[in-house]
Amino acid sequence: DIQMTQSPSTLSASVGDRVTITCRASQSISTWLAWYQQKPGKAPKLLIYKASVLEDAVPSRFSGGGSGTEFTLTISSLQPDDFATYYCQQYDSDLYTFGQGTKVDI
Amino acid sequence: EVQLLESGGGLVQPGGSLRLSCAASGFIFSSYNMGWVRQAPGKGLEWVSRISDTDGRTHYAESVKGRFTLSRDNSKNMLYLQMNSLRAEDTAVYYCAKDRSRGNSYGFFDYWGQGALVTVSS
Repeated sequence: DIQMTQSPSTLSASVGDRVTITCRASQSISTWLAWYQQKPGKAPKLLIYKASVLEDAVPSRFSGGGSGTEFTLTISSLQPDDFATYYCQQYDSDLYTFGQGTKVDI
Repeated sequence: EVQLLESGGGLVQPGGSLRLSCAASGFIFSSYNMGWVRQAPGKGLEWVSRISDTDGRTHYAESVKGRFTLSRDNSKNMLYLQMNSLRAEDTAVYYCAKDRSRGNSYGFFDYWGQGALVTVSS
């Protein structure tokens, strides 16, 4: 199975900060990577797919990059609504896998 | 509007069985792959299983392989997850999710249900 490792596990930031989350794959997955945002008690929400394509209606302050084994999710200017947990997911194999999550808090 | 509504969750004893259902609406169900993702209390997301749109080919995480069976009824827009030989570590919220991919391609989940809680305990 392809393992996905996110860093950091927790990130403390303030409104207006630029934040970057990293996701590493145990083998090359080209750009077959998605990012999700999850708030407590809610289902995850798709933010980005194919490593850098922004899902419809997702604010442009979110951006994704990378290819192969290393990927990033960047929030250019953190807003109050962005405090949540973020997950990456690879879809380069029969068996999908998620990263362990990165919690962004104040 | 895409809607996914899970049902069938509840409390079950270790070794028992449970069947989750997911009623889909707002899109052409038979044209998309579907899947289940679970989340244990206070933990991260874990992909469980997925099924292709028309030929019903299935894939499972190693943690549930041989115990869980995923199926779909395209005539009723329904997805089912039969869970047997349940263990305490299967306790989680189970999300039904629409995969943007079709057929034998791989994808990501663009719509999710609200989740169904499964608790395995004596």
